[in-house]
Amino acid sequence: EPEVTQTPSHQVTQMGQEVILRCVPISNHLYFYWYRQILGQKVEFLVSFYNNEISEKSEIFDDQFSVERPDGSNFTLKIRSTKLEDSAMYFCASSLTSGIDNEQFFGPGTRLTVL
Amino acid sequence: RKEVEQDPGPFNVPEGATVAFNCTYSNSASQSFFWYRQDCRKEPKLLMSVYSSGNEDGRFTAQLNRASQYISLLIRDSKLSDSATYLCVASGSGGYQKVTFGTGTKLQVIP
Repeated sequence: EPEVTQTPSHQVTQMGQEVILRCVPISNHLYFYWYRQILGQKVEFLVSFYNNEISEKSEIFDDQFSVERPDGSNFTLKIRSTKLEDSAMYFCASSLTSGIDNEQFFGPGTRLTVL
Repeated sequence: RKEVEQDPGPFNVPEGATVAFNCTYSNSASQSFFWYRQDCRKEPKLLMSVYSSGNEDGRFTAQLNRASQYISLLIRDSKLSDSATYLCVASGSGGYQKVTFGTGTKLQVIP
């Protein structure tokens, strides 16, 4: 069964450093997403991406964040200068459609720890 | 008021029991609704979509009441493997791609 994959599974970084989280969405999917989940809290939408551009983003997704699809398979989330409060699980997701039956499939997540 | 609100639980039920979870959403413009399950420290996994007509998938039944802005999930004949956190999700208020998760309801099925 096709699945979304993410690397690395765990990333430890120093405050102020840049990190890039990587995702490989399901191959025939067209819509890509990033979410975060701070430990013990709910899953929060960050951004959606379609046709090589951001289609929607939340208030969390500020200038420190950027997304890119550098080639035909990878989808990345960059955090420019990490803060302690960026420590969270980051989930990538993909979907085939964006309409009313927008069923999103999640990757296993990258746990980001900012020291 | 939270956009998507759920009773956090935990719900501790014996194997074989029937358990129901409720969820309310505040944005009447929401169009799509889903239930996901999330195991501890794992990714959310889609359980089922929720339609006004109600839908059933084996032991699971989901229902949407648009007038009351209320979504439910019923699990019959609970199994130990049903132990997880159940996440209510709404989307479509600002575009179908932007989904809002509830905080989740934790279920523990006891032998």
